[in-house]
Amino acid sequence: AQSVTQPDIHITVSEGASLELRCNYSYGATPYLFWYVQSPGQGLQLLLKYFSGDTLVQGIKGFEAEFKRSQSSFNLRKPSVHWSDAAEYFCAVVGTASKLTFGTGTRLQVTL
Amino acid sequence: EAQVTQNPRYLITVTGKKLTVTCSQNMNHEYMSWYRQDPGLGLRQIYYSMNVEVTDKGDVPEGYKVSRKEKRNFPLILESPSPNQTSLYFCASSPRGGRSYEQYFGPGTRLTVT
Repeated sequence: AQSVTQPDIHITVSEGASLELRCNYSYGATPYLFWYVQSPGQGLQLLLKYFSGDTLVQGIKGFEAEFKRSQSSFNLRKPSVHWSDAAEYFCAVVGTASKLTFGTGTRLQVTL
Repeated sequence: EAQVTQNPRYLITVTGKKLTVTCSQNMNHEYMSWYRQDPGLGLRQIYYSMNVEVTDKGDVPEGYKVSRKEKRNFPLILESPSPNQTSLYFCASSPRGGRSYEQYFGPGTRLTVT
């Protein structure tokens, strides 16, 4: 069965600091991975996705993620966080029947 | 504008009173799905539909029904809501069923059952 683990429930960073959000997945075949962001009171917006090819993928809003098969990880990074990045972030893997399996989310707080 | 819409956005109801949450997409997508989001649990799939008249259960289908009579609409029906169905619900759609298609999410419906 597919699963996603986001070990950090809550992270606080200062504006301008770098960010890394962790994501570990379990999937029997080649994983297709996503990062979504949910701003307060909003729906989910896709930040980036990995299907194949280059293991470092670029997304919107200056985010990137690196796929590491050996570590079953797909960590999200941003070199310099802005206050508007405060939100909840979800990592997900898609399996059969297009079912997205989400992690439990990481809430990011940005201090000024 | 291409979008997934849900109505209502907020709903407070009482136990046992049937309700329907509508979902509509204007992108001619074949695949649609419902998720519920609960604190500490992330999002879990309730039902999905590969195309018109084709629906199937997700991970947490108990207490819910769906129908897909038109391509654009995928309503979620709670025949007899209970307090444990208090949650934030999201509808999503993608061009087709298949792993390589991005899913587009609606704005969410916050349901409270008292």
